Amino acid sequence: GQNIDQPTEMTATEGAIVQINCTYQTSGFNGLFWYQQHAGEAPTFLSYNVLDGLEEKGRFSSFLSRSKGYSYLLLKELQMKDSASYLCAVAGRAGKSTFGDGTTLTVKP
Amino acid sequence: ETGVTQTPRHLVMGMTNKKSLKCEQHLGHNAMYWYKQSAKKPLELMFVYSLEERVENNSVPSRFSPECPNSSHLFLHLHTLQPEDSALYLCASSQSQGQGSEQYFGPGTRLTVT
Repeated sequence: GQNIDQPTEMTATEGAIVQINCTYQTSGFNGLFWYQQHAGEAPTFLSYNVLDGLEEKGRFSSFLSRSKGYSYLLLKELQMKDSASYLCAVAGRAGKSTFGDGTTLTVKP
Repeated sequence: ETGVTQTPRHLVMGMTNKKSLKCEQHLGHNAMYWYKQSAKKPLELMFVYSLEERVENNSVPSRFSPECPNSSHLFLHLHTLQPEDSALYLCASSQSQGQGSEQYFGPGTRLTVT
């Protein structure tokens, strides 16, 4: 099975940088996804990592270390609209994704 | 329409009712999913269909019955539900059911069982 841990809540200031961590234990690994979910809305895809290292996409970057079972999502130049829940999801055997509880990020002025 | 659509957006039903949730994807994807999202709990995968065949049934009670008549449509038939089944039900699709295939989610159906 899968076990995914991420912090429940984080707070940061507009314009700052925030790092959201995700650790996982998995039987079978086919990549790690990050999704963003605004309150009352559906999750939307942010990033996918299957190899070790950093993937950069604009203000958002995602990092993976398979040997450590660890990933983080880095958000730069925070904006108020970045206030949302960030979901870490691990794709296991047959591509089945297991989601973490999500990290609720609050961006303050 | 584009993306993934779900109807209805809100549903209130009694425990003896029978209702169906509908999902449609306009992305040409081959895999579709049903998830349950309850307050303070992570997304729970319920069912996975790949090329119209069910490939995953995550120990879901039989009062939930999925149907995938073609690669664009997915239904979730509900009967004799319990109050604890009240939740947001999300449909998603992906290009394939495998590595690297991100999922596109619909807006969800907010279900309340009274």
